Amino acid sequence: AQKVTQAQTEISVVEKEDVTLDCVYETRDTTYYLFWYKQPPSGELVFLIRRNSFDEQNEISGRYSWNFQKSTSSFNFTITASQVVDSAVYFCALSPPGGSNTGKLIFGQGTTLQVKP
Amino acid sequence: EADIYQTPRYLVIGTGKKITLECSQTMGHDKMYWYQQDPGMELHLIHYSYGVNSTEKGDLSSESTVSRIRTEHFPLTLESARPSHTSQYLCASSETGVLNTEAFFGQGTRLTVV
Repeated sequence: AQKVTQAQTEISVVEKEDVTLDCVYETRDTTYYLFWYKQPPSGELVFLIRRNSFDEQNEISGRYSWNFQKSTSSFNFTITASQVVDSAVYFCALSPPGGSNTGKLIFGQGTTLQVKP
Repeated sequence: EADIYQTPRYLVIGTGKKITLECSQTMGHDKMYWYQQDPGMELHLIHYSYGVNSTEKGDLSSESTVSRIRTEHFPLTLESARPSHTSQYLCASSETGVLNTEAFFGQGTRLTVV
C-alpha cells in the first residue's frame, strides 16, 4: 500500500528563520513520482516540485530546496530565510506505480506553516 | 500558468438540493480529477477520468457522480446534498504522455450544506 506521512501538523517560525518540512513515504514500487504543493489561503494548490524515483539529486530553487533520500524514503523541503508570504499549507504527495498518472496522487496530511513578522 | 477553472467558488445550499460543481480546463489535458478536502485539510481522490466517456471512482467513496462528455469539462453532481457533503472540492488535470508533468489544480469550490 502507498502512504505519505507529514508528521508536523503545524510549524510556526519567525521571519528569516530556516524551516524544514518533513515527508516520509511508503511504496513497494520502484518507479514513482514525488511532489510538493503549496496551498495558500486562497485555496488552490500550487505546484512546487516533481521528483522521479530514479533521480536522487537534491534540488535548489531560490530559497527552496529539497532533499530526496530513497534509503530513508524521505523527501524533505527546506525554506531558507522564510518570509511571511511563505505562510500556507504544504502538501507532499506520491504518484501511483509507474509514474504515468501524475494527477492520481496520494497526499500527506499537510503541514501548516506560519511565518510571523 | 494553469488554466483550470472551477465555479462556483463558494456555495451554501440547503439539504436535499441537487447541485453541480463545474470544472473546465483549456490545456487540452486528457486526464482530470476531483479531490475532496475535509476540514482537517487532508485531500482524497474521489473521481478521475482518462478522457471523454471515461470515469472512475477514486480512493475515497463519494455519493457524487461525474461525467466527461467533452475533454475540457468535468462536472461533479450531488443529487441530494447533505451536511456530510460540506467540504472543499478541488478539480485538477494532467497531461498524458512520456513527460508526465504535474497536475494543475483549480481554486476549489467550498461547499456548505445547511
